[in-house]
Amino acid sequence: QKEVEQNSGPLSVPEGAIASLNCTYSDRGSQSFFWYRQYSGKSPELIMSIYSNGDKEDGRFTAQLNKASQYVSLLIRDSQPSASATYLCAVLLSGGSYIPTFGRGTSLIVHP
Amino acid sequence: ETGVTQSPTHLIKTRGQQVTLRCSSQSGHNTVSWYQQALGQGPQFIFQYYREEENGRGNFPPRFSGLQFPNYSSELNVNALELDDSALYLCASSPGTSGTPPPNEQFFGPGTRLTVL
Repeated sequence: QKEVEQNSGPLSVPEGAIASLNCTYSDRGSQSFFWYRQYSGKSPELIMSIYSNGDKEDGRFTAQLNKASQYVSLLIRDSQPSASATYLCAVLLSGGSYIPTFGRGTSLIVHP
Repeated sequence: ETGVTQSPTHLIKTRGQQVTLRCSSQSGHNTVSWYQQALGQGPQFIFQYYREEENGRGNFPPRFSGLQFPNYSSELNVNALELDDSALYLCASSPGTSGTPPPNEQFFGPGTRLTVL
């Protein structure tokens, strides 16, 4: 079983819609969760971090964390074509490690 | 504040050769991690350095080695290159493993695209 799972997509949404990206993880003791955006041919860019259950909002982005169900999601409101990218979920697993484990990413396409 | 930089941006090598990739961490960051990202995959952790000491290693063979220097810049060395080593190599820096719980947010450099022929 992979430690961090994401649907590879692509997830296609129309411009202006809400894009919902999901990530599940296997380590119940995980405490820190990150979302990165990666444009094709570029390096990952940190867009959100979340550490507590519930929602965290930043601009068009909302991260949602549910530790009991072991999932973290990213909502992108009013999606624009410029949001078309791969979104990587990263989880800091328990056990004293400070090394995030990445999912394979979900490809998002926002079409006009 | 200077971000994470990597050099070179692209590199072409042949099988069996050796390669050295370089990374300068973001100002104020003392921890550097290296990742390998194959096409269509998430970054795979190679190793991490904290204050010049290896602080964790992923599932990579010993021909992948590294260094961190007193200024916290870092090198990744790969010996005996194989075709499967072709990938984007990413360096990420973070403020450091202070012993307190995370956040330990990582910031990536632009990456080095390595092609092994």
